Amino acid sequence: QVQLQQSGPGLVKPSQTLSLTCAISGDSVSSNGAAWNWIRQSPSRGLEWLGRTYYRSKWFRAYADSVKSRITINPDTSKNQFSLQLSSVTPEDTAVYYCARGPSPLNYWGQGTLVTVSS
Amino acid sequence: SVLTQPPSASGTPGQRVTISCAGSSSNIGRNTVNWYQQFPGTAPKLLIYSNNQRPSGVPDRFSDSKSGTSASLAISGLQSEDEADYYCAAWDDSLTGYVFGTGTKVTVL
Repeated sequence: QVQLQQSGPGLVKPSQTLSLTCAISGDSVSSNGAAWNWIRQSPSRGLEWLGRTYYRSKWFRAYADSVKSRITINPDTSKNQFSLQLSSVTPEDTAVYYCARGPSPLNYWGQGTLVTVSS
Repeated sequence: SVLTQPPSASGTPGQRVTISCAGSSSNIGRNTVNWYQQFPGTAPKLLIYSNNQRPSGVPDRFSDSKSGTSASLAISGLQSEDEADYYCAAWDDSLTGYVFGTGTKVTVL
């Protein structure tokens, strides 16, 4: 059974970088069939896919156009986890952030982290 | 959101409820549709994928269908525990990303 455990701060100041980590158990971040995603949910934007990373003989990353200039998703094979970094945050980035295993469908999800952007 | 759903749907216990999901040729028209169920304060849970496939534990009261650029989720024999938010989703080849529906809140009267 795959389990995803999220960690990271719940409060980030405007203009700073939001950083979250998703630890994987029951699977490998380097698994050839999986893709590791970040999604966020807010009342104003609904569920929004942010991006993913996956390994197919080499590492690939794909990002949503809405955040492409500010987002980085990285795997960490030594810790079997992957991370999200979102730079230059504004209050509009306040949301519940989820990690999830794909590629499609997203069959396992983390517990969610409420991140508030406020000074 | 790229996929459009009605904001709400309701029914009495035992009734059949249907939720629509409208997309386009770059998402539903080309790729499989997935459906997720979400209860307040919890993460979405995969409900149906790849043309009526259900993960272990999901009752067969839930079913889906697709026609062209639209899809629908049906709940037969509605039960009180089905009261939740439901989202459709699919890969979008034009956006090169995963897109979600606007969500439908199902209320059991």
